[in-house]
Amino acid sequence: QVQLVESGGGLVKPGGSLRLSCAASGFTFSDYYMSWIRQAPGKGLEWVSYISSSGSTIYYADSVKGRFTISRDNAKNSLYLQMNSLRAEDTAVYYCARDVGYCSGGSCYNWFDPWGQGTLVTVSS
Amino acid sequence: DIQMTQSPSSLSASVGDRVTITCRASQSISSYLNWYQQKPGKAPKLLIYAASSLQSGVPSRFSGSGSGTDFTLTISSLQPEDFATYYCQQSYSTFTFGPGTKVDIK
Repeated sequence: QVQLVESGGGLVKPGGSLRLSCAASGFTFSDYYMSWIRQAPGKGLEWVSYISSSGSTIYYADSVKGRFTISRDNAKNSLYLQMNSLRAEDTAVYYCARDVGYCSGGSCYNWFDPWGQGTLVTVSS
Repeated sequence: DIQMTQSPSSLSASVGDRVTITCRASQSISSYLNWYQQKPGKAPKLLIYAASSLQSGVPSRFSGSGSGTDFTLTISSLQPEDFATYYCQQSYSTFTFGPGTKVDIK
């Protein structure tokens, strides 16, 4: 079955770095765009970044631009998020999600399905 | 950036009730609107995509409607497993989620 498993979360000091990984299985990883989405404790969902199937197109939320880098290795069926200059406000559960879509009548719709179980990143001194 | 709002932020309902959650976009997003359900400690789960299409495996008591700026998620007869938080999300211009609506037991 389609599965996404995140890893790499943990406790890091402000200003530090962390690299998250997401291992994909059960589908042809290289065919899909992928995203990272986060959720601060007790808060709502915030999209962080996405990457196209080839890696040639990348977008970031303004809140992480210049500090986070998304990448992928299609040979390893893996998605990554390099997080630098971490701040307390980056504390959250980080989810990877598959970006699924279809086009009809000139419009292309997309959504996130499935999501991984999440990995917790805590930024604290 | 497109902002999303949801109302109410929380509601209390009983099993069997009809529940309606509203989502509004700060500008027209056509039908680029998805709905997710999240239970405590779990990842969100897709319910509705493209405003009104039911995701495979999701019970038919869930339905979505709307286009432009105003959207609705309806649960026709609330079941015990439906107590959760519901999020809308636009995909018209990158992605933005609504703040969520928590549905709990009356």
